[in-house]
Amino acid sequence: GESVGLHLPTLSVQEGDNSIINCAYSNSASDYFIWYKQESGKGPQFIIDIRSNMDKRQGQRVTVLLNKTVKHLSLQIAATQPGDSAVYFCAEKGDTGFQKLVFGTGTRLLVSP
Amino acid sequence: ETGVTQSPTHLIKTRGQQVTLRCSSQSGHNTVSWYQQALGQGPQFIFQYYREEENGRGNFPPRFSGLQFPNYSSELNVNALELDDSALYLCASSLLVRREGRNEQFFGPGTRLTVL
Repeated sequence: GESVGLHLPTLSVQEGDNSIINCAYSNSASDYFIWYKQESGKGPQFIIDIRSNMDKRQGQRVTVLLNKTVKHLSLQIAATQPGDSAVYFCAEKGDTGFQKLVFGTGTRLLVSP
Repeated sequence: ETGVTQSPTHLIKTRGQQVTLRCSSQSGHNTVSWYQQALGQGPQFIFQYYREEENGRGNFPPRFSGLQFPNYSSELNVNALELDDSALYLCASSLLVRREGRNEQFFGPGTRLTVL
């Protein structure tokens, strides 16, 4: 079946540090992965995505790495800021024909000044 | 802001009642997906509407139903509410070129439903 899990439920870092949030997925047929940030009381906000034909993609201060061999996804945030404090979800598009996203339970990132 | 709006923001119902939640998609988008997010969990896919037709469904019972209108806005209806239906209901809009396409989904702020 489909499942997306996260290794750490909470990650605490100091402002300015680099953060790494990890995610394992189980569906080897998944071809599209997304990281979302969700702040309290808000809907998930798109951060970055990656297709299965890539192993790395960079955005502004963020990098997503995809390792299909071990079915692992990570989000790296450079120079973490207090505004980065939120819950981060990885999501995958499974092997259904339509765009159903399967989300993990999330990792809470706490950034201390 | 994503341009996706949802109404109402909060709602309280009692068990057995029916509820309708509304979503206005981002301008230019033709697809709306609905998700249920229980407290402390990730969103769970309910169903998706593409060009006014259901384009896929998750593991939710038939008492969860939906509609998409010609302007691509959408409704989620839940009949015979149960206590476990208490959750944040999120809609997400996207632009699909074809039914099985892959595109960013932009989420609205959600409707918080409490069933007593």
